[in-house]
Amino acid sequence: EVQLVETGGGLIQPGGSLRLSCAASGLTVSSNHMSWVRQAPGKGLEWVSLIYSGGSTYYEDSVKGRFTISRDNSKNTLYLQMNSLRVEDTAVYYCARAKITLAGFFDYWGQGTRVTVSS
Amino acid sequence: DIQMTQSPSTLSASVGDRVTITCRASQTISSWLAWYQQKPGKAPNLLISKASSLESGVPSRFSGSGSGTEFTLTISSLQPDDFATYYCQQYKSYGITFGQGTRLEIK
Repeated sequence: EVQLVETGGGLIQPGGSLRLSCAASGLTVSSNHMSWVRQAPGKGLEWVSLIYSGGSTYYEDSVKGRFTISRDNSKNTLYLQMNSLRVEDTAVYYCARAKITLAGFFDYWGQGTRVTVSS
Repeated sequence: DIQMTQSPSTLSASVGDRVTITCRASQTISSWLAWYQQKPGKAPNLLISKASSLESGVPSRFSGSGSGTEFTLTISSLQPDDFATYYCQQYKSYGITFGQGTRLEIK
């Protein structure tokens, strides 16, 4: 059974940094394409970033240059390093396994971790 | 980016009803479209990929159709467990985009 467990969320001031983690079981992060998707309070889903099994990365325009997706193969864990955080980054962040054709859709999801950016 | 627009934003229906949700893309995406169901406080659940391919374990009352720019998700006979929010998502190109969601509520 695939399980994805996100941790690392919390309350952070604007301009601060936070690293989210997604620990996987039942799948090997390095052999899969993995992604982060977020959902602001009361709003819809927004794709954030994706890393291919080969290491190529993609980002949504508003997070380019501020967020970095990465993985630790030895820990079977996906990360999202978030710098220069803004109020509008407040959301529940989900990690998900991506199935890739041209771009990706998402078949396994974690339960999410909440990030609140506020002074 | 490709914009995805769902209609209606809210849909009121009764158990046993047949309902259809529409998703329109701002440019052609062929059949590179997925549908998700999300319940409050939970992660989304993948229902359909490639516009009409039902995921394993998803009840057959769910179906998807369409190609190009217009797509539909149909639930043939609503069950109590189906009242949730539904999202479409294009995966023709990066940035990946979702529709704004359709909330399906009990009439």
